[in-house]
Amino acid sequence: GENVEQHPSTLSVQEGDSAVIKCTYSDSASNYFPWYKQELGKRPQLIIDIRSNVGEKKDQRIAVTLNKTAKHFSLHITETQPEDSAVYFCAATFSGSARQLTFGSGTQLTVLP
Amino acid sequence: DTGVSQDPRHKITKRGQNVTFRCDPISEHNRLYWYRQTLGQGPEFLTYFQNEAQLEKSRLLSDRFSAERPKGSFSTLEIQRTEQGDSAMYLCASSEDRGDDEQYFGPGTRLTVT
Repeated sequence: GENVEQHPSTLSVQEGDSAVIKCTYSDSASNYFPWYKQELGKRPQLIIDIRSNVGEKKDQRIAVTLNKTAKHFSLHITETQPEDSAVYFCAATFSGSARQLTFGSGTQLTVLP
Repeated sequence: DTGVSQDPRHKITKRGQNVTFRCDPISEHNRLYWYRQTLGQGPEFLTYFQNEAQLEKSRLLSDRFSAERPKGSFSTLEIQRTEQGDSAMYLCASSEDRGDDEQYFGPGTRLTVT
């Protein structure tokens, strides 16, 4: 089945610096790659996604890049703020009609003021 | 709030008891998913409904688990004879059936089996 590896598991950055989280996936048929932000005790919140026909997508301070050949994708957060502190999960669709998501193990991002 | 809702938000039960959770998806979302999340891990897929039909089940879903979506709207997840290993956050997500794959999650039901 699909497997998604995510690194690093923890990341601390100074406010204003950039943060990068990387994921690799195993199913070459995967074509949808969302990123979720989860604050403690809250629901996973979709923050950005990318499809396999696009190499990069940006939304304000957040960007995602996809390299289909290498089967990896990354989340980039610029000008980090304390409210960016949370656990971030990457995910990929599992090939099949259900289109269920396979998640990485998460990255705890801490933005230090 | 027009997002995905789940009830109850917390459930504490003794081992061996049965529990049932409810999920109300976003209106008009035909696709409904159940996931399980344990501490420090990402959500893991359990089962998928398209309208009222349960079309996919994970190997994680033992025969003690059953899910329904009788009218294609809300869904229930029942766990029979709960075990301590069932303690987790049970998340529901929904999406439109138009192929864009965006899944929106509910707040989850945190189950603690004592």
